[in-house]
Amino acid sequence: DGGITQSPKYLFRKEGQNVTLSCEQNLNHDAMYWYRQDPGQGLRLIYYSQIVNDFQKGDIAEGYSVSREKKESFPLTVTSAQKNPTAFYLCASRLAGVAGELFFGEGSRLTVL
Amino acid sequence: QQQVKQSPQSLIVQKGGISIINCAYENTAFDYFPWYQQFPGKGPALLIAIRPDVSEKKEGRFTISFNKSAKQFSLHIMDSQPGDSATYFCAAPDRGTYSGAGSYQLTFGKGTKLSVIP
Repeated sequence: DGGITQSPKYLFRKEGQNVTLSCEQNLNHDAMYWYRQDPGQGLRLIYYSQIVNDFQKGDIAEGYSVSREKKESFPLTVTSAQKNPTAFYLCASRLAGVAGELFFGEGSRLTVL
Repeated sequence: QQQVKQSPQSLIVQKGGISIINCAYENTAFDYFPWYQQFPGKGPALLIAIRPDVSEKKEGRFTISFNKSAKQFSLHIMDSQPGDSATYFCAAPDRGTYSGAGSYQLTFGKGTKLSVIP
């Protein structure tokens, strides 16, 4: 079945450690996105990428980094510079060139102790 | 970068009643307004979306109404059921950095938590 796979689903880390969240899609989508979700804050865009080897900052990119070396993969690193990293992280993808459906993964819940 | 204002923040409806959620946007790259439904611990999923040149779209018990002049759109859930209890997000497209058609990202509202009680 086609879809978006995020891993791990739950992650605990100590303050000051970098963490990388995985996002893989087999939908052959060009565009991929990372959103952060906090209670009452909706979905806020961290980074997005329309093509391989290129990506753009979203609204809350500080303290995060991404790479897009392959079309199907868009990992997110939460660095120690992110002041409040505990959140639910969602990866999404869609076909470029159309105003079409954004498909989401199941999310990764990061808790920093 | 625009803001999308969604209301109410939470909503409690009796089974069989009508649930109404409203959204207002500032600017949009083009007329495409989706609504997403999210259950606890899951990623959002597209519920229904409206595209240019129509003011209303209906799919089963779910209807989007769109008022372009007022820059508002709303979701109506008829005959609300306990299984509809979820968080609902509206969204509007912002023009992306890349050139060309289809280059955009969605800006989401803050969500409405709907509870349908038996």
